[in-house]
Amino acid sequence: EDQVTQSPEALRLQEGESSSLNCSYTVSGLRGLFWYRQDPGKGPEFLFTLYSAGEEKEKERLKATLTKKESFLHITAPKPEDSATYLCAVQDYYQGNTPLVFGKGTRLSVIA
Amino acid sequence: EPEVTQTPSHQVTQMGQEVILRCVPISNHLYFYWYRQILGQKVEFLVSFYNNEISEKSEIFDDQFSVERPDGSNFTLKIRSTKLEDSAMYFCASSPDRGYEQYFGPGTRLTVT
Repeated sequence: EDQVTQSPEALRLQEGESSSLNCSYTVSGLRGLFWYRQDPGKGPEFLFTLYSAGEEKEKERLKATLTKKESFLHITAPKPEDSATYLCAVQDYYQGNTPLVFGKGTRLSVIA
Repeated sequence: EPEVTQTPSHQVTQMGQEVILRCVPISNHLYFYWYRQILGQKVEFLVSFYNNEISEKSEIFDDQFSVERPDGSNFTLKIRSTKLEDSAMYFCASSPDRGYEQYFGPGTRLTVT
């Protein structure tokens, strides 16, 4: 069974204080790993897709990286508007190749 | 920028009643999905839909659930006889093809009393 574990559950940062969120995964065959941002009461907002180990993607203050067992979302000099829950999800070739399996997320608070 | 839309934003219903949740996926996308998120829990896959038929479904998607694409734009989720435990946020999503990113709608909050 596919598993996605995110850590920490919650993270509180001062504005400008860089940090990383972790996503550990177990799949039979990784088709893709996806990062989403979710604001309270809203739907997940797509951020990045990573397909193979060593791949990196960047968008503004966010950078996602991928290894064979985990992914990191690095946040550089965060601002209060980066406060949200960040979700990691995987798609598996062998366990059905369309469903996303999500982790519980990391709730990020950035304090001005 | 194209986006997935969902209606209603909030639905309150009594246990045992039927509800229909509606979604308009992004127009040139081929795959459509329903997910749900019980308060404080993970986003969970319900069903995927491609070429006018169910592609995959989870154990949650039992006989009380059904999906339909009644025309070229709408995608619906029907729950025949709602239970208290069906209370959740229901998200519709669409993707250009299998294996690509899925774009989510804003959700419908379903409250069963």
